[in-house]
Order: sequence, then structure tokens, then C-alpha cells
Amino acid sequence: SQQGEEDPQALSIQEGENATMNCSYKTSINNLQWYRQNSGRGLVHLILIRSNEREKHSGRLRVTLDTSKKSSSLLITASRAADTASYFCATGLPGAGDKLIFGTGTRLQVFP
Amino acid sequence: DTAVSQTPKYLVTQMGNDKSIKCEQNLGHDTMYWYKQDSKKFLKIMFSYNNKELIINETVPNRFSPKSPDKAHLNLHINSLELGDSAVYFCASSLRVSEGNEQFFGPGTRLTVL
Repeated sequence: SQQGEEDPQALSIQEGENATMNCSYKTSINNLQWYRQNSGRGLVHLILIRSNEREKHSGRLRVTLDTSKKSSSLLITASRAADTASYFCATGLPGAGDKLIFGTGTRLQVFP
Repeated sequence: DTAVSQTPKYLVTQMGNDKSIKCEQNLGHDTMYWYKQDSKKFLKIMFSYNNKELIINETVPNRFSPKSPDKAHLNLHINSLELGDSAVYFCASSLRVSEGNEQFFGPGTRLTVL
């Protein structure tokens, strides 16, 4: 079964609102990464949080990690229409070298 | 300048044919990957190479054969194409992910098998 399950599968909001996406995983991790994929394009890395970190910020992005609950959340504040994309979490596993396991993704639609 | 490039961007072919997708990265990374993204956007790793050596092979049919002539290139050859091979294939590269590095993705190759 999939290592990363994301919730919700789809999210629609108005510009200016905040968007929160959640990722749950099953096994211990080295790090957790979030990626964005615009329609018809490749994935672009957004932010990485290590297993010993609890929160990280990058611009309008805030990521939290709760290793006891095996979950992470991505918050996009003051969303813009350009944030419309699919967002994926990906986990780096101990002993798995450079392998990343991707979640199922959340499709975010931001309406102007 | 494109960091990870793939060719072709679109590939339409008949069942039973053999086709190749090429990937090149100019980032100086040691590790390269092939992913398959299905119609539900589920992204699954297929192969990983580190310095031309196969590291990850995720139970992919042996009709799929990756080839890495040097660490900047990782090509994917597919024999006897089947309808279920239709998907978007992404190449990626990185430094060591285990040391907290990100992966850089190519633009994808949309393969349609008729």
C-alpha cells in the first residue's frame, strides 16, 4: 500500500484564503518533502523537513511534522490563483538510499 | 538552461512496438531516476541509478530496460509496448536524498500506446 496518503484529495478555495494539506505515512522516515506539480509539468520541490524538525517556513509555506503521529501538513497562506496545482508529499526512508515514496497528492484549485 | 531534460515530450505508438525515452541532467548529480505517473496522478519510482550503477529496480517488467551511458544520462527503453504502459514518464536527478537533498524533475514524456 502507499506510504503517503494525502488528505484532502481535492481542495477548492478563494484567493486570499489559506490552504492546508495533510500527509500521513506508515514507517519511520529520514525526511519528508513537499512537491508541487502544475498541470502537464514535472514536479517542483517546495520544502524539506528532517525527521528531527517539527516546523519549517519558506515564504508563504509552512510545514509541520509530527513523527509520533506519522503525519505532516503543508499550509499555504494568502493563496493565489497561481498556487493552483497538485501537491505531493514524499518520504525519504532510512536505509532506502535516495528513494522517495510519493503520496497520492492533493489537487488545489484557487479561484480568483 | 534546462536542468533535467527529456525527449520526446509526447510519444504515440502502436502496441508491440519498441521505443526509447532519453534523459539528460546538467546539474552534476550522481543519482538519476525514472518514475511512472498514471492517469490518477499516482507517481511511482521505477529505477534509480547512481554513477551509472543500478540501485533501485522496483519490480518493473523486464520489457523496461534503463541504460546509463554516463552519470548525466539515463535512458529508458521499452520493448513490446502494451496498452497499460500508457502514462507520463518522469526522469529526475539528485544528490543524496538520504542527506536531505531534493529531487529535480524533467518535464515528462507522455506515452500513449494505441
